[in-house]
Amino acid sequence: DIQMTQSPSSLSASVGDRVTITCQASQDISNYLNWYQQKPGKAPNLLIYDASNLETGVPSRFSGSGSGTDFTFTISSLQPEDIATYYCQQYNHLPPTFGPGTKVDIK
Amino acid sequence: EVQLLESGGDLVQPGGSLRVSCAASGFTFSSYAMSWVRQAPGKGLEWVSAISGSAETTHYADSVKGRFTISRDNSKNTLYLQMNGLRAEDTAIYYCAKLLRSIFSQPPLRFDCWGQGTLVTVSS
Repeated sequence: DIQMTQSPSSLSASVGDRVTITCQASQDISNYLNWYQQKPGKAPNLLIYDASNLETGVPSRFSGSGSGTDFTFTISSLQPEDIATYYCQQYNHLPPTFGPGTKVDIK
Repeated sequence: EVQLLESGGDLVQPGGSLRVSCAASGFTFSSYAMSWVRQAPGKGLEWVSAISGSAETTHYADSVKGRFTISRDNSKNTLYLQMNGLRAEDTAIYYCAKLLRSIFSQPPLRFDCWGQGTLVTVSS
C-alpha cells in the first residue's frame, strides 16, 4: 500500500494567516491526490481533487498544488470556520490511503 | 440534494456480528460506486470496502477481508456492510461515501459525498 505522511501534525495560527500543510506519498502518485476537511464531530468533506482542483462550492482561499510525491495544501487567509483536521488521500494505487491528518486551530 | 444516512451501529461483543446500512437519496444510486470508510476514536480515516454501481465488483481492505461483506440493494437505494468476527480494533465510526464513478477502480477516485456516520463499538 502507498503510505501517506503529512506535516505538521497540528498547527495554531491567527485569523488571516496563511497556512500551509504538506503531504508526501511513499511513491509517485502523479496528481491523484485529494484533500478533505473534517470539522469536529462531523463527516469529512471534499475540498480539493486531483491535487489542485477546487470542489464546487469550496471557498477560493483553499488551494492545492504538487505532483509526483510532494503536495501542498494552502489556506490563504485562515478563518475561524476553518478549524478542522485536514486529510490528504491518494488513489493512484488501490487501496486508497489517507494521510494521518493535520489539525488546524486558531491561536 | 445528495444525502447519505447511516444506521445500525451498536455495541457488540468480540466475535459478534453486525450489519450497518446507508440509505441514499438525491441521486441515481445505481450509477455510482459506494464505499465504507471508518474512523477509530481519535484516529484518522481508513478505507474499508467498496462496491460498483451494478454490485458486480467488490473490494476490501486487508484488515477486513474475509470478515466483512459489502452489498447494495439498488431497488431500495441502500448500501450495507455485514461485519462478522468483530474485533476490538474494528471499533470506529463507519461512514458511507459516494464515489464519482460507477466502477471503484476507475480513476478519478474521490469520495464526493459522505454520510454522518454510525458508531460501532466492539467490547465485552
